[in-house]
Amino acid sequence: GQQLNQSPQSMFIQEGEDVSMNCTSSSIFNTWLWYKQDPGEGPVLLIALYKAGELTSNGRLTAQFGITRKDSFLNISASIPSDVGIYFCAGQLGGGATNKLIFGTGTLLAVQP
Amino acid sequence: SQTIHQWPATLVQPVGSPLSLECTVEGTSNPNLYWYRQAAGRGLQLLFYSVGIGQISSEVPQNLSASRPQDRQFILSSKKLLLSDSGFYLCAWSYRGLGGPLHFGNGTRLTVT
Repeated sequence: GQQLNQSPQSMFIQEGEDVSMNCTSSSIFNTWLWYKQDPGEGPVLLIALYKAGELTSNGRLTAQFGITRKDSFLNISASIPSDVGIYFCAGQLGGGATNKLIFGTGTLLAVQP
Repeated sequence: SQTIHQWPATLVQPVGSPLSLECTVEGTSNPNLYWYRQAAGRGLQLLFYSVGIGQISSEVPQNLSASRPQDRQFILSSKKLLLSDSGFYLCAWSYRGLGGPLHFGNGTRLTVT
């Protein structure tokens, strides 16, 4: 199935460092979402973006909806060990009632104390 | 508040055996419901979605089927499992209508031996 280009694939950082990851698409999306998945669990919603250019924060997390509507990024500031997990972007197409999501390939984040 | 339940959490089944995974949502009415599969290596692939009772749309041809016998119940089935059906199966719900994030259950780890 279709997937978004997400980078980097993995990151190994020291506690306290800032993290940045992004997603790009050849298609326009009406909504961008960022999820985090811990091992053996389902993805949990972190941030939802509904408007091009929108910049939204959730604690140490900040995400932006690209102005072209074809990309989004997620920043994590001052990383801590519990930030470890896989982060997924997801784009949502408009024009229907299905709300289907297209997911990115994921970024594996490892934080060393 | 809304909750989503999936069971079982883990399942080991022999090749050729049947499968039934169940998902239920509480705290909302008329949700959209989704089944995703996550193979090793992270990508989430949409298998089925449903916008109402008895309404099932399949995204990819496969050995699986889905049913929605009640408004908040979504079932993933197979008559005869294949080795390639192994994976992590995630159920999700969203509000019906345009836009809005998906909310995931904790998944079922299926191993076909």
